[in-house]
Amino acid sequence: TAGITQAPTSQILAAGRSMTLRCTQDMRHNAMYWYRQDLGLGLRLIHYSNTAGTTGKGEVPDGYSVSRANTDDFPLTLASAVPSQTSVYFCASSERGYNEQFFGPGTRLTVL
Amino acid sequence: SQQGEEDPQALSIQEGENATMNCSYKTSINNLQWYRQNSGRGLVHLILIRSNEREKHSGRLRVTLDTSKKSSSLLITASRAADTASYFCAPTNSGGYNKLIFGAGTRLAVHP
Repeated sequence: TAGITQAPTSQILAAGRSMTLRCTQDMRHNAMYWYRQDLGLGLRLIHYSNTAGTTGKGEVPDGYSVSRANTDDFPLTLASAVPSQTSVYFCASSERGYNEQFFGPGTRLTVL
Repeated sequence: SQQGEEDPQALSIQEGENATMNCSYKTSINNLQWYRQNSGRGLVHLILIRSNEREKHSGRLRVTLDTSKKSSSLLITASRAADTASYFCAPTNSGGYNKLIFGAGTRLAVHP
């Protein structure tokens, strides 16, 4: 199985443009998460979804939106990118609450 | 969920030596997880220890948990160059899904 895949691997984006980061898992996990990791720091939770059809805000949700139309996909959208959103974005999933999370390989985003 | 704080921030050892990393947290937990991140990659789950457990082993890894001191330690025995990575702890308390909050981690360098 592929686990979790993310696309694109990296992207350079002009400020003010919109972009959707894609995340797909094939493990039928209920919960999915988006994190950002800035250079030299730990991960910060942006948004999460406990199950298909529901989403919630994490620590740093401003400037980002998510949707969870089905179990497998959890796209993250930046409506109008700003340079402070330059970061590495990781998607993760878990079978249910309190269990280990499985992480994707990340998307490196640079906003100029 | 709450943030764990790892200590030390950085650790440099020789191959074959043991590496010990510590994690402190503030409030009661259901479990605590340790993750590893190789440079530029997503996090990989190492081990989960529940609040009613005091010690857990997985290969060369040994995790201890002291709920009275609100602390955990991760010991890597007989370290290898491939253990070079950042290590994060993630304490999880009750109240919902596993919204992990990561600290800055411990950067471990194992020299051949």
